[in-house]
Amino acid sequence: GENVEQHPSTLSVQEGDSAVIKCTYSDSASNYFPWYKQELGKGPQLIIDIRSNVGEKKDQRIAVTLNKTAKHFSLHITETQPEDSAVYFCAAPKGAGNTPLVFGKGTRLSVIA
Amino acid sequence: KAGVTQTPRYLIKTRGQQVTLSCSPISGHRSVSWYQQTPGQGLQFLFEYFSETQRNKGNFPGRFSGRQFSNSRSEMNVSTLELGDSALYLCASNTGTVNTEAFFGQGTRLTVV
Repeated sequence: GENVEQHPSTLSVQEGDSAVIKCTYSDSASNYFPWYKQELGKGPQLIIDIRSNVGEKKDQRIAVTLNKTAKHFSLHITETQPEDSAVYFCAAPKGAGNTPLVFGKGTRLSVIA
Repeated sequence: KAGVTQTPRYLIKTRGQQVTLSCSPISGHRSVSWYQQTPGQGLQFLFEYFSETQRNKGNFPGRFSGRQFSNSRSEMNVSTLELGDSALYLCASNTGTVNTEAFFGQGTRLTVV
């Protein structure tokens, strides 16, 4: 079955710097890769996703890159702000078709003002 | 457009009791997935319901069960509660189509004492 590894588990950056979180997956049939942000006391919020027919997707300060050959994808946050502080999760479906998402263990990002 | 609504937000139960959690998906969404979130295990998939049928199931014991109603609202039930069932239970709403966005509710925080 699908296995999703996420690194690092914690990340501290200075306000204005960039943050990068990386994930690897095991099932080559996976073709949809969402990223979620979870703030304290809230449910995970979808912030960006990418499908396997593209290599990169951007939305303002957030971007995701995908390398299907190496089976890894990354979240890039530029010009970080204190409100970016949260736990970020990557996910991949357990294979092709209508299969459940398998989540990484999460990265706790702290943006220091 | 209303988001995903989970009730109740907090629950305290005693070992051996049973509990029922409710999830109302986004209007028009036919798929509801349930996840258990704990600090040690992260987000783990419980089951998914689509059009009142269980479509996928995770590796949880039979004490965990669910159902979905004709209006797509879903409930999950945990019987014979154990201390280890203490967790944040999240539901995710989705149209049910392959590789489409899943939106989470705020979760129900269950504490078993």
